[in-house]
Amino acid sequence: EVQLLESGGGLVQPGGSLRLSCAASGFNFSKYAMNWVRQAPGKGLEWVSSIGKVYYGDSVGGRFTISRDNSKNTLYLQMNSLRPEDAAVYYCARGGGCSGGTCYWPDYWGQGTLVIVST
Amino acid sequence: DIQMTQSPSTLSACVGDTVTITCRASQSISSWVAWHQQKPGKGPKSLIYKASSLQSGVPSRFSGTGSGTEFTLTISSLQPDDFATYYCQQYNSYPWTFGQGTRVEIK
Repeated sequence: EVQLLESGGGLVQPGGSLRLSCAASGFNFSKYAMNWVRQAPGKGLEWVSSIGKVYYGDSVGGRFTISRDNSKNTLYLQMNSLRPEDAAVYYCARGGGCSGGTCYWPDYWGQGTLVIVST
Repeated sequence: DIQMTQSPSTLSACVGDTVTITCRASQSISSWVAWHQQKPGKGPKSLIYKASSLQSGVPSRFSGTGSGTEFTLTISSLQPDDFATYYCQQYNSYPWTFGQGTRVEIK
């Protein structure tokens, strides 16, 4: 069974840093692109970053860094210079990228970790 | 960036009804559209990929159609478990973008 378990969220002051983790199990982690998607309170879904090839959304580029450790089956998101508008539930999701004429969708999602940016 | 315009934002329906949600892309995205269901306090669940393919384990009352710029999600014979928020998403190119969401509520 595919499982994605996010952790590392919490309360941080504006300008601060936080590192999120996503522990994956039930599949060959190294063979899949992975993603971070966030959802501000009461709002819709916003894609943040992907790794396979690395991409960032405009709102986080230069402040967030996505990485992975295939030996630990874990995805990371290092978030620096946090702003109040970065407050959201952050989800990791499996899938992404295009290869051989096929594009891959986010087929499994975690339950999310909450980031609060406030004084 | 590709904009995904989803409608309606809210839909009221009864158990047993058939409902349709529409999503329009700002440019052609072939069939690279997914539909996701989200319940309060939970992560999204993928329902449909490549516009019309059903994710494994998803009931057959869910169906998707479309290509190019116009896409629909239809739920036939609405069940109590189906009251949730639904999002379309394009994965044709980065940045991935989502529709605004459609909340399906009990009439």
